[in-house]
Amino acid sequence: AQRVTQPEKLLSVFKGAPVELKCNYSYSGSPELFWYVQYSRQRLQLLLRHISRESIKGFTADLNKGETSFHLKKPFAQEEDSAMYYCAPEGNMLTFGGGTRLMVKP
Amino acid sequence: DGGITQSPKYLFRKEGQNVTLSCEQNLNHDAMYWYRQDPGQGLRLIYYSQIVNDFQKGDIAEGYSVSREKKESFPLTVTSAQKNPTAFYLCASSSRSGTNQPQHFGDGTRLSIL
Repeated sequence: AQRVTQPEKLLSVFKGAPVELKCNYSYSGSPELFWYVQYSRQRLQLLLRHISRESIKGFTADLNKGETSFHLKKPFAQEEDSAMYYCAPEGNMLTFGGGTRLMVKP
Repeated sequence: DGGITQSPKYLFRKEGQNVTLSCEQNLNHDAMYWYRQDPGQGLRLIYYSQIVNDFQKGDIAEGYSVSREKKESFPLTVTSAQKNPTAFYLCASSSRSGTNQPQHFGDGTRLSIL
């Protein structure tokens, strides 16, 4: 089964600092990967997808096949970025990573 | 995203009791999913269904059962065999599993033991 791992359960940064949420996958081929976000008291929702190569809310994620990673990055974190972030592969059995809680301190 | 409705929002179960969590979607999605969310453990897949009248076990299916009699509905039953049912349950759907389509999630149901 396609698997992803998010090694950090909690990531705490100060406002304005760069942030990188790590996601590693463990299968070959050309995976399609997503990042989902869950803000406090809101639904889990799609943040961005690899195939779109887009920047959402200042976040970007690049697929690195050599390192089998799909890290989520933002150059300047904002307090409103505080949330739970999940990395997930597309597939018949969508298995999410364990999630990383991002806390952006003022 | 009002396309997926989970009910109830809070549910309490007595020992030895089966309870059913409702999930309805009006997005015309083929695939539906049930996840369990525990603190510090992220999301774990319980069951998923790619099409009506078909479903597959996920990572933690023991103690749970599902049905998919209608495209728009995917109820989850937490049976008495599930010894640790207290958790937050999320239902999701996607237009078709395996075609690079993201999932849309409901608001969740929080199940607690009395």
